Amino acid sequence: SQQGEEDPQALSIQEGENATMNCSYKTSINNLQWYRQNSGRGLVHLILIRSNEREKHSGRLRVTLDTSKKSSSLLITASRAADTASYFCATDEIRFGNEKLTFGTGTRLTIIP
Amino acid sequence: GAGVSQSPRYKVAKRGQDVALRCDPISGHVSLFWYQQALGQGPEFLTYFQNEAQLDKSGLPSDRFFAERPEGSVSTLKIQRTQQEDSAVYLCASIKGRLEFAGELFFGEGSRLTVL
Repeated sequence: SQQGEEDPQALSIQEGENATMNCSYKTSINNLQWYRQNSGRGLVHLILIRSNEREKHSGRLRVTLDTSKKSSSLLITASRAADTASYFCATDEIRFGNEKLTFGTGTRLTIIP
Repeated sequence: GAGVSQSPRYKVAKRGQDVALRCDPISGHVSLFWYQQALGQGPEFLTYFQNEAQLDKSGLPSDRFFAERPEGSVSTLKIQRTQQEDSAVYLCASIKGRLEFAGELFFGEGSRLTVL
């Protein structure tokens, strides 16, 4: 089952604009991660935010986490054509013996040159 | 190796055939995961190994699915008597230690299975 749901499902913006994707999840978590997947390829890790953190930056990426609302957002600033991909949030649930990341449904981002 | 390697990249099977998908994780990575990704969906957890021990197989959809990692390195996902609904990309991922502490998963490129 999918733990997280991304919103929107698809997003098209002009190159140079900022892209914001949201993720909601259901259970208490240790951490939340964002992954990127180019068409026909595997997933690549972008950034991890722990449950006691509220915001994290990495280059053009900014991630926020609100554990009270069980939600996260990923902001990509100054988008480039190469950012075109699907983006997934993934959570590591707090559960004894649990050793898996549960992925959301994904946001398909298209950057228009 | 430099990354997680999966083979074959593409597999076409006739309904009822058995298939075997191979995953070669990053050298020294203790934990190995298999995920199934249907078209347009997020990856769905299938099973997890810590070294050679299969600690969680709760995501395997039926008893036609079987995974092994006999020496704690290479893993094989076997699907018996394939059905059309098994068509998907099968992703393998590895991590050096425990997920809770080590963080990110390293994914292979996936094996795309098409069942006719």
